[in-house]
Amino acid sequence: AQSVTQPDIHITVSEGASLELRCNYSYGATPYLFWYVQSPGQGLQLLLKYFSGDTLVQGIKGFEAEFKRSQSSFNLRKPSVHWSDAAEYFCAVGARQAGTALIFGKGTTLSVSS
Amino acid sequence: GAGVSQSPSNKVTEKGKDVELRCDPISGHTALYWYRQSLGQGLEFLIYFQGNSAPDKSGLPSDRFSAERTGGSVSTLTIQRTQQEDSAVYLCASSLAQRVEQYFGPGTRLTVT
Repeated sequence: AQSVTQPDIHITVSEGASLELRCNYSYGATPYLFWYVQSPGQGLQLLLKYFSGDTLVQGIKGFEAEFKRSQSSFNLRKPSVHWSDAAEYFCAVGARQAGTALIFGKGTTLSVSS
Repeated sequence: GAGVSQSPSNKVTEKGKDVELRCDPISGHTALYWYRQSLGQGLEFLIYFQGNSAPDKSGLPSDRFSAERTGGSVSTLTIQRTQQEDSAVYLCASSLAQRVEQYFGPGTRLTVT
């Protein structure tokens, strides 16, 4: 079955510290991979995506993610977290064709302490 | 440019009533998706429209749910005879025809009392 697992429901990080959010997927073939962020009361904003090529992809707001085929993982990282990064983060996968639904993980809530 | 817009932002309705939720996609985006985000269930796909093709309704949870898209742009999701388990945030997303990445609206929070 196709699925996305985000093992951490809630993470707290000190402001200025580094962050890594984990994402593992189960899919028939290598999918397209995405990270979205959702602030309270807001929709989902696309942070970054991986289609092919360099396995380290850069996104907005200083985020990056690394695709590891052997581990079926697509972990999100940020070297120095800001208080404004507190939000819920969703990893998603989709088929390598337009017009298919994305499959989302259940999300990781990030809290940032001062 | 303008993003995906949804209305209303919040809707409270009584059990058994019908509701309509509206989505206005990004201009030029021919693909439109509806998802439901509920506690404990995460984000679930409901329905997909692409241009004038027949929609993919495979995610609709029951026949109380329906959606239409008029003129290839605005879409309306209708839930008939609402139940308490329909309480959720309904998210709309759009994309360009041959692109995979989807852009989401702010959602409509539906509360069924």
